[in-house]
Amino acid sequence: GESVGLHLPTLSVQEGDNSIINCAYSNSASDYFIWYKQESGKGPQFIIDIRSNMDKRQGQRVTVLLNKTVKHLSLQIAATQPGDSAVYFCAESSGYSTLTFGKGTMLLVSP
Amino acid sequence: EAGVAQSPRYKIIEKRQSVAFWCNPISGHATLYWYQQILGQGPKLLIQFQNNGVVDDSQLPKDRFSAERLKGVDSTLKIQPAKLEDSAVYLCASSLERNQPQHFGDGTRLSIL
Repeated sequence: GESVGLHLPTLSVQEGDNSIINCAYSNSASDYFIWYKQESGKGPQFIIDIRSNMDKRQGQRVTVLLNKTVKHLSLQIAATQPGDSAVYFCAESSGYSTLTFGKGTMLLVSP
Repeated sequence: EAGVAQSPRYKIIEKRQSVAFWCNPISGHATLYWYQQILGQGPKLLIQFQNNGVVDDSQLPKDRFSAERLKGVDSTLKIQPAKLEDSAVYLCASSLERNQPQHFGDGTRLSIL
């Protein structure tokens, strides 16, 4: 499949701030998007997903926004905590094709 | 519910040796995936199973890598012979069905000397 990329390799925020992690995708046929959090030494942990028939989905402290016009996906984390420090990956697929992962953004939260 | 179980957690071997990894998916998950994650990169799919059948192995280096899921539950991934460039974390994931969220194990970190 086509590749998924991230704009910022590292994002540094203060505890309590809101964080926004961005992701661009190139496959206009992509219809399923997912965000993962990966801590050092662990496997990716599912955060939230969204399908192309939606443009916004909210979870606990997280919101995913999808802009199909410009092929852009973002993950917003409210009131960021030190425990949110990790690498965040977006991934996409179309139909029943396999997930394609981006390179990842490291989020660093300072107390 | 119990997560995806993988073993071993770490493995160190010399090049040209063989190695095998084991994965037990979440109970009831029909779809199982093996990924390779090189340091600093996102996971790359090696093979996808639906029950005990292979759905996608287009990115599996078949001259040295093999995988099986004989009874449609747990799975093994084998590398024989290993090369230096195989040093990576090998992740297993499972999902209830295809195009459903995938849940990952903590992987096996493989180092080739």
